[in-house]
Parts: sequence; structure tokens; C-alpha cells
Amino acid sequence: GNSVTQMEGPVTLSEEAFLTINCTYTATGYPSLFWYVQYPGEGLQLLLKATKADDKGSNKGFEATYRKETTSFHLEKGSVQVSDSAVYFCAPGGSGGSNYKLTFGKGTLLTVNP
Amino acid sequence: DVKVTQSSRYLVKRTGEKVFLECVQDMDHENMFWYRQDPGLGLRLIYFSYDVKMKEKGDIPEGYSVSREKKERFSLILESASTNQTSMYLCASSLPQTRSYGYTFGSGTRLTVV
Repeated sequence: GNSVTQMEGPVTLSEEAFLTINCTYTATGYPSLFWYVQYPGEGLQLLLKATKADDKGSNKGFEATYRKETTSFHLEKGSVQVSDSAVYFCAPGGSGGSNYKLTFGKGTLLTVNP
Repeated sequence: DVKVTQSSRYLVKRTGEKVFLECVQDMDHENMFWYRQDPGLGLRLIYFSYDVKMKEKGDIPEGYSVSREKKERFSLILESASTNQTSMYLCASSLPQTRSYGYTFGSGTRLTVV
């Protein structure tokens, strides 16, 4: 089955700093790759996705590129805001015999200070 | 706006009680999932269903059962609640083409068993 390793948090940044959250995965076949975000007290929301190699997903200033050669999908944002404080989850899935299944990382807590 | 609705945001139950957590989606999705989320452990899949009356065990099914009598509703049942089932429970749904669209999550139910 799939597995995912994402950068352990917590990550604390000042407003307008550059953000990288690393994510690497192992998977059967060629999975799609997703980043989800969870704001305090809420469920997970889809942040961005990429469905094939070299695709770049983007949303709300966040970006991640599907790197098949390094099996990575690192999340980046050039200038974070206080409102970006949340937990971020990397999730490969939708491939191989379990094409319904996403495998979630343990999550990375991001805190952005003003 | 399409959504997944979980019937309760917060729930407090006593040890030994039978507990029902309800989830309803209005997107006509075939797949539905129940996860629990615990600090340091991330999301763990309890059960999922790919069709009405169909269900399969996830990674941690012990102590839980599920019911899916209608396509839009997926219930998680704690037959005899225990304190180690205190957790955040997240419901999700998806189309069969998970790799294209990912999951849609509900807002979660925070269950405390005392």
C-alpha cells in the first residue's frame, strides 16, 4: 500500500516568511497527490492537487509540484499570513488496487505570528 | 454549496453507552469513509463504504460498526463506548474517481467518553 512521510511540526513563522512543508511518498502505480488543510476546530479541506508527473497544483498562494523522480510533493508559499495558521496534510492516493483510498500523513501544524 | 454534514460537533457519552455518529452527504457520492483523528497519530481509517449496504474494514475497525442503508447516509456505531474512543471523528465522501477529485470532509464530531 501507499505510505507518506511529511515534515514534522510544529512550524512557527513570522508573517510574510517563506513556507516549505516537505512530503515524500511511496505508492503503487502512479497516484494522484493532494494537500489538505485543517483550520482549528474544522474538518479537512482540499487545498490543491496534482494528478500526474510534473503537474503543479496551486491555490490561495500555495503551490506544490508532482516530482515523480524524487516521489515528492512539497508544499510552498512565498509569503504566509496569520490566517494560514492550520494543520496541513499530504495525501497520495487513487492508484493501484485501492483506487478509492487516500493515505494521509500525520499532519504539520503551522503557526504564523504577526 | 455541496457538503458533508455530521450531525453533532461535540458529544459527551458515558462508558458502555451505544453511540451513533451520523454523516450525510448531498453530492451523490458512492464512497463514504469514517476516520478518527488523534494527536500524533494523524487520520486513521475505521470503515468505508463503496455502495449502499456495502462496507469494508479500515485500519482500526475494532469496537466500531457502520451502517449504510441509503446512499447519502453513513453511520458509525460504537457498540459500547470506552474512554479510549475519545477522539475527533471525521466523515468523508468521494466519487469513484478519487484520483481526480479527492475527498470531501465534514466538520468533524469531537466525542468525549467519560
